[in-house]
Amino acid sequence: EADIYQTPRYLVIGTGKKITLECSQTMGHDKMYWYQQDPGMELHLIHYSYGVNSTEKGDLSSESTVSRIRTEHFPLTLESARPSHTSQYLCASTRTSGSYEQYFGPGTRLTVT
Amino acid sequence: GQQVMQIPQYQHVQEGEDFTTYCNSSTTLSNIQWYKQRPGGHPVFLIQLVKSGEVKKQKRLTFQFGEAKKNSSLHITATQTTDVGTYFCAGPGTTLGRLYFGRGTQLTVWP
Repeated sequence: EADIYQTPRYLVIGTGKKITLECSQTMGHDKMYWYQQDPGMELHLIHYSYGVNSTEKGDLSSESTVSRIRTEHFPLTLESARPSHTSQYLCASTRTSGSYEQYFGPGTRLTVT
Repeated sequence: GQQVMQIPQYQHVQEGEDFTTYCNSSTTLSNIQWYKQRPGGHPVFLIQLVKSGEVKKQKRLTFQFGEAKKNSSLHITATQTTDVGTYFCAGPGTTLGRLYFGRGTQLTVWP
């Protein structure tokens, strides 16, 4: 089982609030990713990082931001939550070389009321 | 851009029936990966195929990589209720380290 953690697991919050979703991995992986997914549906890449101080936007336009100050930590921030942000957010990481299989965290299920 | 197409989107089978999901890429892939996501869970890596025409088996699951390395399939023989979930294929793109996921096939198994 991969060592990648996400907190909180569930979050219900009101519109306009600022939130940060935490993601940490203890595998020393350089590459980390954030996906947005409605239950059982397509995975949408919203941000990724190749290492410390490296972040890129993914395919899905998102009002969130990310930072990568430490290798093991890749938080995602929503400055002003909206009901359209209601979804599951999955963090993943992968090794730098060899197989690029991605290890996923358990996810944060976000509801914005 | 890079695309990985996957069909069908949904599949409902009776327990004991077989199931197949197909994945196609617009470009040649260096490898293809398969993931399973149980309801309420997160995607979990199943397998990676690298060689042209490669076939790998995991118990009742058979994975194939096409000769041209542009398509792949996952076949489950005699489905069980534990097979329920969404199966994703994923291929690497030109951007190093990125994976492009198919839309997934949601499998429902009736007892």
